[in-house]
Amino acid sequence: DTGVSQNPRHKITKRGQNVTFRCDPISEHNRLYWYRQTLGQGPEFLTYFQNEAQLEKSRLLSDRFSAERPKGSFSTLEIQRTEQGDSAMYLCASSLAFLPGTEAFFGQGTRLTVV
Amino acid sequence: AQSVTQLDSQVPVFEEAPVELRCNYSSSVSVYLFWYVQYPNQGLQLLLKYLSGSTLVKGINGFEAEFNKSQTSFHLRKPSVHISDTAEYFCAVSGEGAQKLVFGQGTRLTINP
Repeated sequence: DTGVSQNPRHKITKRGQNVTFRCDPISEHNRLYWYRQTLGQGPEFLTYFQNEAQLEKSRLLSDRFSAERPKGSFSTLEIQRTEQGDSAMYLCASSLAFLPGTEAFFGQGTRLTVV
Repeated sequence: AQSVTQLDSQVPVFEEAPVELRCNYSSSVSVYLFWYVQYPNQGLQLLLKYLSGSTLVKGINGFEAEFNKSQTSFHLRKPSVHISDTAEYFCAVSGEGAQKLVFGQGTRLTINP
């Protein structure tokens, strides 16, 4: 297993365009998380799935953001009508939901630049 | 709700010197505590975690951390740092029943030769 994979690694888009990111978790992990990290800050939680169910969404996740995990495997995060404030690193993580405190494994992230 | 404060945004140290990165947390419930490291243009890698039991936790790369409930702290230490330890370090907390991690703002550790 190669770990959590995110694509693309980098994305530059014009303001107002839609973008979609993909995350492939570690294969046996049933939990999948999305975080956003801006320069000089720690990651901020956006949303998480257990299997295909989206169980929690942060207030940071505006109506322009939507995440899916249709078959409980890979996940996509779409941002519609991008704004310059959306420029950030988007991190995906996965874990096994057996016990609280189970380690989350992170991907390398997708860096979004909105120009 | 939980929160994490990392008291130093940057810590410069000389190679082979000891280092301590400070982390304080706030929570109304029992917590699980983590330290993650982020190398440039990389994702986060777990260094160590505290779930329960012994308050001194040992992690990878020679790092250790001590959980202090009365001071609500979880400081990270290493007795002798190496150039390869240059990275951003994040303290994080999650609570019972809460599945997400709440991160601090990070501490940039710079090792000078």
